[in-house]
Amino acid sequence: EPEVTQTPSHQVTQMGQEVILRCVPISNHLYFYWYRQILGQKVEFLVSFYNNEISEKSEIFDDQFSVERPDGSNFTLKIRSTKLEDSAMYFCASSEAGVAGGRRSGELFFGEGSRLTVL
Amino acid sequence: QKEVEQDPGPLSVPEGAIVSLNCTYSNSAFQYFMWYRQYSRKGPELLMYTYSSGNKEDGRFTAQVDKSSKYISLFIRDSQPSDSATYLCAMSDGSARQLTFGSGTQLTVLP
Repeated sequence: EPEVTQTPSHQVTQMGQEVILRCVPISNHLYFYWYRQILGQKVEFLVSFYNNEISEKSEIFDDQFSVERPDGSNFTLKIRSTKLEDSAMYFCASSEAGVAGGRRSGELFFGEGSRLTVL
Repeated sequence: QKEVEQDPGPLSVPEGAIVSLNCTYSNSAFQYFMWYRQYSRKGPELLMYTYSSGNKEDGRFTAQVDKSSKYISLFIRDSQPSDSATYLCAMSDGSARQLTFGSGTQLTVLP
């Protein structure tokens, strides 16, 4: 069964350092997302990406964050200067269509997450 | 008022019990309602997807949506220890690409 893969599974970094989290979405999917989950809190939307551009972003997704699809298979999230409060599990997801596309095509498939710890 | 409210539990039931999980929401624009299951240290996995008021059944799972009350439920019949996980409700207005999640209910089914 196709799946979304994420690397690294866990990254520890010092405050102020740049971090890149990588994702390989499911190959025929067109919509890509990053969500995050701070320990003990709810899953929060960060950004969605379609047709090589950001389609939506949340208030969390400030100038410190950027996304890129560098080579047609990878989808990356970059945090330029990490802060302590960026420590969280970051989930990549992909879907064939947008949420309104119905159960089959609108389903978001999530990766297993990248745990980021900022010291 | 939070956009989506979900009782965090934890909820502990014996094997075979019927489980009821609930979410309320305040945004009347939400049209698409989902339930995700999240095992420890894993990503969320879609269980149910609905876009209209009423009930939808899939095996041991039934999703119920009441748009007039802004209330959704997930029922699990004949619960199994393998159902032990955190259950997340999620919603979208459809025009957006994003899902708004509840905080999740941690369920333990005891053998």
